[in-house]
Amino acid sequence: SQQGEEDPQALSIQEGENATMNCSYKTSINNLQWYRQNSGRGLVHLILIRSNEREKHSGRLRVTLDTSKKSSSLLITASRAADTASYFCATGMDSNYQLIWGAGTKLIIKP
Amino acid sequence: DTAVSQTPKYLVTQMGNDKSIKCEQNLGHDTMYWYKQDSKKFLKIMFSYNNKELIINETVPNRFSPKSPDKAHLNLHINSLELGDSAVYFCASSPSSGRSYEQYFGPGTRLTVT
Repeated sequence: SQQGEEDPQALSIQEGENATMNCSYKTSINNLQWYRQNSGRGLVHLILIRSNEREKHSGRLRVTLDTSKKSSSLLITASRAADTASYFCATGMDSNYQLIWGAGTKLIIKP
Repeated sequence: DTAVSQTPKYLVTQMGNDKSIKCEQNLGHDTMYWYKQDSKKFLKIMFSYNNKELIINETVPNRFSPKSPDKAHLNLHINSLELGDSAVYFCASSPSSGRSYEQYFGPGTRLTVT
C-alpha cells in the first residue's frame, strides 16, 4: 500500500545544483528510508533516519525528518549526472517487517 | 559477488502460461520479499518470508504462489499468466526479523505477457 507521497513527481536541474525532494506520510513511524533506483535497475538503499532523529548526513546526502508534520526531505548537494534516477521514500515500524512506499520522484540532472 | 540475484532478468511469455522467477540472497538475511513494480513505478509488496515462514501476504491473486525452500531462497510461481501481470518483479531481503530494516533489492525480472 502507498503511504508516502513524494513531491515533486519529477525534477530537472543543472549539474552542480542542489536537488531537494520531499516525502509526506500519514501514520506513525519508527523510521523513514530513502532509496534510489537507476533506470532498469533494482532499488538501492541510501539512508535511514529513525523517528527520534531530526537530521542525518551521508556524503552529499542530507535527510531531515519532521514527525510533527509527517514529512521528510532529501537534499542532494552538488548534483552529478550519475544522480539521475528515481528516488523513493519508505516508512517502517519496528513492530512489523513491511515498508510502506511512496510513488517516487524522478530526478534528471542535465549536464 | 551479487548480494541478491534473480533469474531470469527478462521473461516474455503468452497468456495462460505458467512461469517461475527465482531469487537467492547471499547476505545471510532472515527476511525476503517479493515486490511488483508497475509501469508507473509504483512499488507494491506481494509477499514476505521470514526464516521460510510466510509473514506478509498482501491481496494478490491465488495464481501467485511463493515458495521458500530455505532462508536464502524465495521463488515466485505464477499460474495462468494474464496481460495485467506484465510488470517488473523485484526480490529483496533484509537483515533481521521483527523490525523494518533497510532492504536489499535484486536487479528485477521484467515480465511481459503477450
